[in-house]
Amino acid sequence: SQQGEEDPQALSIQEGENATMNCSYKTSINNLQWYRQNSGRGLVHLILIRSNEREKHSGRLRVTLDTSKKSSSLLITASRAADTASYFCAPYNQGGKLIFGQGTELSVKP
Amino acid sequence: DAGVIQSPRHEVTEMGQEVTLRCKPISGHNSLFWYRQTMMRGLELLIYFNNNVPIDDSGMPEDRFSAKMPNASFSTLKIQPSEPRDSAVYFCASRRPSGGETGNTIYFGEGSWLTVV
Repeated sequence: SQQGEEDPQALSIQEGENATMNCSYKTSINNLQWYRQNSGRGLVHLILIRSNEREKHSGRLRVTLDTSKKSSSLLITASRAADTASYFCAPYNQGGKLIFGQGTELSVKP
Repeated sequence: DAGVIQSPRHEVTEMGQEVTLRCKPISGHNSLFWYRQTMMRGLELLIYFNNNVPIDDSGMPEDRFSAKMPNASFSTLKIQPSEPRDSAVYFCASRRPSGGETGNTIYFGEGSWLTVV
């Protein structure tokens, strides 16, 4: 299956702490993408990491990719209440479609 | 730039009625996706178009569901007849032609919230 599986299902932290979410997948990939969904809204693309990259940064986001273990992680540093959302990973190969897992529901308490 | 535009944003309908959801993708995008999101099943890909042609409709639940893309700027998802278990948020998403750093990322609309009573 091309679907990614996020872990944990839910994560609750205090503002200022770091949040780490993990993603596992089963097929070979061209890239892996992370999306965020605020309550009642559509998904928004956060960051894309290619299969030949091991780490990528964007602002307070850090993504790692281990293709040998077929896993990725998303780290949000110095979390804010506004980071409260669901986070989804989406492995992508040549198939053209993106399949999403159940996501990680992150709650950042002020 | 306008994002993906979906209508209606909210719809409440009675079981057995026909429901039509509409989507206008981002101009210049050539791939279009319909997803359905529920608490129980998460975010499911229903159908995927490329250059207005359906490429993969394996996620369409049953014959009551149909999707069309008559041109590059418009798509519909129709449910006939609707049932209470079709209640969900239906998202449309689009993607530009592949290539480049963002060639594979997709852009979601805000969803159509459907309630069938």
